[in-house]
Amino acid sequence: DVKVTQSSRYLVKRTGEKVFLECVQDMDHENMFWYRQDPGLGLRLIYFSYDVKMKEKGDIPEGYSVSREKKERFSLILESASTNQTSMYLCASRGPPPTGELFFGEGSRLTVL
Amino acid sequence: ILNVEQSPQSLHVQEGDSTNFTCSFPSSNFYALHWYRWETAKSPEALFVMTLNGDEKKKGRISATLNTKEGYSYLYIKGSQPEDSATYLCAPDGGTSYGKLTFGQGTILTVHP
Repeated sequence: DVKVTQSSRYLVKRTGEKVFLECVQDMDHENMFWYRQDPGLGLRLIYFSYDVKMKEKGDIPEGYSVSREKKERFSLILESASTNQTSMYLCASRGPPPTGELFFGEGSRLTVL
Repeated sequence: ILNVEQSPQSLHVQEGDSTNFTCSFPSSNFYALHWYRWETAKSPEALFVMTLNGDEKKKGRISATLNTKEGYSYLYIKGSQPEDSATYLCAPDGGTSYGKLTFGQGTILTVHP
């Protein structure tokens, strides 16, 4: 079974804290993605990576950074968490474009107090 | 940002009804169109990846068509069942930016018994 694993299902953090969300895939995919999901706004792309150490900004990168040191692992970093970053975060990896589909992790629900 | 529109935003139908919804996307630089189903408390899962104009794909009671020249895709569900209740998301692959996929806001389908 293909698998995308996100390290934490639920996190509660305080404003100003540094937050790491980890994602690991076992499919040897080159492309990995971080999305956030908010009611009424659908899935919005934060950052994606197409190779080790390669990253591209998505549609809403402000306040986030990412790290891809190994092919299987893609981390999302909130340098200084803010309440407007309270959200559901979804990691995905993708088979070779254009027909490669996305495989999603189970999501990490982050609450920033 | 790739302009992707899905309509309607939400839909309530009775069990046994057939239904359809639309995904509109820019027709230029088209590589593929993805459809995903996202059930509550689960991760999104791929339904179809379509690449050719006029393409039609089917999975059980769900089918999809693609018109790349005018930039739209229809998703049809025949004889809706309560288990079809989910958010249906589409994402066009514009063939740029290393496999980036940007989603529409989705159509929320509720099937009442």
